[in-house]
Amino acid sequence: QVTLRESGPAQVKPTQTLTLTCTLSGFSLSTSGMCVSWIRQPPGKALEWLARIAWDNEKDYITSLKTRLTISKDTSKNQVVLTMTNMDPVDTATYYCARTRSQQLVFTRYFYGMDVWGPGTTVTVSS
Amino acid sequence: EIVMTQSPATLSVSPGERATLSCRASQSVSSNLAWYQQKPGQAPRLLIDGATTRATGVPARFSGSGSGTEFTLTISSLQSEDFAIYYCQQYDNRGTFGQGTKVEIK
Repeated sequence: QVTLRESGPAQVKPTQTLTLTCTLSGFSLSTSGMCVSWIRQPPGKALEWLARIAWDNEKDYITSLKTRLTISKDTSKNQVVLTMTNMDPVDTATYYCARTRSQQLVFTRYFYGMDVWGPGTTVTVSS
Repeated sequence: EIVMTQSPATLSVSPGERATLSCRASQSVSSNLAWYQQKPGQAPRLLIDGATTRATGVPARFSGSGSGTEFTLTISSLQSEDFAIYYCQQYDNRGTFGQGTKVEIK
């Protein structure tokens, strides 16, 4: 059974760095085509895609937050880590990780929708 | 960044009726579009991938259509468990979501 689970601090202070971990089960990021994305959702608001990392360590970030985000993987632990620097109260949200698959055709990589999601972890930014 | 616009923001529908949700991309995303359903307190669930392909276990009353910049999610006969918020997401260039359509009971 494929599952993902997010973990991290429930609260951080403004200007601090947030580190979130996504632990994978039932699949491996060392398998060709596998990817993991991070998405967040402020209370009562829409989903916002943040970042994605592929099995070959290719990374993509949302343009507006690129300077604050770092996504990485530890294949030996089957984990994906997202760090976000300089946290602000507007970053208060539920953070999700989700599995994405991809397919390489010649020089182009094609992605699929996010088919398995973690339950999410709520992060509050407050002093 | 590609901007996704969903309409309407809220759709009031009676059980058994048909619901049609729209999603528009600010530039072509080909068929690289997904639809998700989210219920209160839950993570989103993938319904439609590649604009038209139902995900595993999704009932046949859900169907997706469109390509390029215009997409539609149709629920042919709304069941009580279908009242939720629906998001479209493009993954042609990174990934952006629409603002969601809330389907509520009329």
